[in-house]
Amino acid sequence: AQSVTQLGSHVSVSEGALVLLRCNYSSSVPPYLFWYVQYPNQGLQLLLKYTTGATLVKGINGFEAEFKKSETSFHLTKPSAHMSDAAEYFCAVSVGSSNTGKLIFGQGTTLQVKP
Amino acid sequence: GAVVSQHPSRVICKSGTSVKIECRSLDFQATTMFWYRQFPKKSLMLMATSNEGSKATYEQGVEKDKFLINHASLTLSTLTVTSAHPEDSSFYICSASSAGGSEQFFGPGTRLTVL
Repeated sequence: AQSVTQLGSHVSVSEGALVLLRCNYSSSVPPYLFWYVQYPNQGLQLLLKYTTGATLVKGINGFEAEFKKSETSFHLTKPSAHMSDAAEYFCAVSVGSSNTGKLIFGQGTTLQVKP
Repeated sequence: GAVVSQHPSRVICKSGTSVKIECRSLDFQATTMFWYRQFPKKSLMLMATSNEGSKATYEQGVEKDKFLINHASLTLSTLTVTSAHPEDSSFYICSASSAGGSEQFFGPGTRLTVL
């Protein structure tokens, strides 16, 4: 069975600082992994996804994530935080091998960006 | 990009009444739609998966007679919360994917408040 763990429910960084949001997964099959962002009272927006191929995945808004099979991790990073990055971030793994199948979400990490 | 809408965005109802939430794919045919529930400061919990023209598949612990899901067309799925109670108050989010598509697209969510 698949599962996702996001380490740290709240992360606070200063504007311009590195953003690192941690995600570890468990999957019995090669995983499809996703990062989503959610702004208050809105739905989810896909930041990036890993299916196969290159393990370093670049997404929108300057975010990227690296799939590390040996560490079962898919941490999200951004070199320089902007105030507009403040939001809730969810890591997710696709159940089964399809990338349009059910998604299992992590608990979410709230990113606070301080001026 | 693909757009998914939800209606209404907010609804307040009295305890004991039923509420219908619509999820529409505006520019693609959604062969599969997913319904999620999100409690405050919590992750998304998958409630059910619906395929066009078929009965929905509910996750364990979700009452199918209370949360009625219909996916009658390739662009519309509805979630009806029957005999709503205050504990049903939540943020309900749908997502949609197309056959052979590469990702799920999320709606903006519906805030349900049951008085």
